[in-house]
Amino acid sequence: GAVVSQHPSWVICKSGTSVKIECRSLDFQATTMFWYRQFPKQSLMLMATSNEGSKATYEQGVEKDKFLINHASLTLSTLTVTSAHPEDSSFYICSARSPGLAGPETQYFGPGTRLLVL
Amino acid sequence: LAKTTQPISMDSYEGQEVNITCSHNNIATNDYITWYQQFPSQGPRFIIQGYKTKVTNEVASLFIPADRKSSTLSLPRVSLSDTAVYYCLVGDGGAGGSYIPTFGRGTSLIVHP
Repeated sequence: GAVVSQHPSWVICKSGTSVKIECRSLDFQATTMFWYRQFPKQSLMLMATSNEGSKATYEQGVEKDKFLINHASLTLSTLTVTSAHPEDSSFYICSARSPGLAGPETQYFGPGTRLLVL
Repeated sequence: LAKTTQPISMDSYEGQEVNITCSHNNIATNDYITWYQQFPSQGPRFIIQGYKTKVTNEVASLFIPADRKSSTLSLPRVSLSDTAVYYCLVGDGGAGGSYIPTFGRGTSLIVHP
């Protein structure tokens, strides 16, 4: 149980194009999903918190107009990198918070999406 | 917001027990402690979660002292496949609220033959 998927697993695009990444919780409903980015040899950096039916909350320094987040349902959140540039190349990871039926809520992570902008 | 501190790296050998400690001095009353394992180019994988005392599952044990200002992940008899980065995450395990999951630098564990 508690499986989170991401699609695509990797993407290569030209500078100036937009890329959409999907994050799905497969076997549970997640009212909250999170988006992270990770550069080589570094830790995960939280970009934004996505709540179903409401606007995402972005961390300081993350451009909300560049990284569009839509949490349309309890099992799907999308991250769109608009007008991507080479410096946006990174590993993007989503997570979903699983409700604690017999304990605390727990965060489960997707497999990540590798983005390369040429 | 509970900040965590872990050793940057650790080395071990196959078959040994490995203990990784995480400090979280400003942990809040309703915070839970969760440990994750991450391999290169993969998302973190849940290992274990606890609130106090000791928790054990099929892959690890988690020891939390009474003051909860630190926690220790114990991996029994590690193998080469346990080479990975391990993160502890401290936050509110309750529904809603202002949960902001912030990762520390993690501990890079290298298991040698």
